[in-house]
Amino acid sequence: SQQGEEDPQALSIQEGENATMNCSYKTSINNLQWYRQNSGRGLVHLILIRSNEREKHSGRLRVTLDTSKKSSSLLITASRAADTASYFCATDDSGNTPLVFGKGTRLSVIA
Amino acid sequence: DTAVSQTPKYLVTQMGNDKSIKCEQNLGHDTMYWYKQDSKKFLKIMFSYNNKELIINETVPNRFSPKSPDKAHLNLHINSLELGDSAVYFCASSQDGAHYGYGYTFGSGTRLTVV
Repeated sequence: SQQGEEDPQALSIQEGENATMNCSYKTSINNLQWYRQNSGRGLVHLILIRSNEREKHSGRLRVTLDTSKKSSSLLITASRAADTASYFCATDDSGNTPLVFGKGTRLSVIA
Repeated sequence: DTAVSQTPKYLVTQMGNDKSIKCEQNLGHDTMYWYKQDSKKFLKIMFSYNNKELIINETVPNRFSPKSPDKAHLNLHINSLELGDSAVYFCASSQDGAHYGYGYTFGSGTRLTVV
């Protein structure tokens, strides 16, 4: 069953601007992860945030998690054309079950 | 040095045929997965497998079967292919599941087209 729902479905910005993508989920989680998928390629793990964390940074990426609202956001600062890709959130529900992915946000960064 | 490799990258076949997709990981991970990505980019888990347990998504038709000759390989066999099986299939691996705090490593995908 689908867990995460990303918002927006598509986002187009100019190079240098910040991009924010949101993810909402339905059940309790152990952690939430964000992945990037370039066109025609596999998914690449970007960052993981645990249920007891509220914010995490990795380079130009900033992830927040609000477990009370069952939502997360991914911020990419100072975007580059190379950031053009689809971004997926995925939830781990504390059991031994596989990650459940959302539908993704297609980000286009225009040079 | 590819961490998770899938073959073939592209597969075009006729309805009714039987085909296999191979997956190998050289990361020493304990768990491997098969995901199906449809034309709308929605990723759906099909199977997860480690040495101890096979978890099958109950919505997956029994024409699909995973076969694991050893810990580093999880192949996907599909019988009696149908048009609706056309999709991109991704293999992935992780160290003892996601709850250990590590992400999944994905292969580059196999685009299956059934004609």
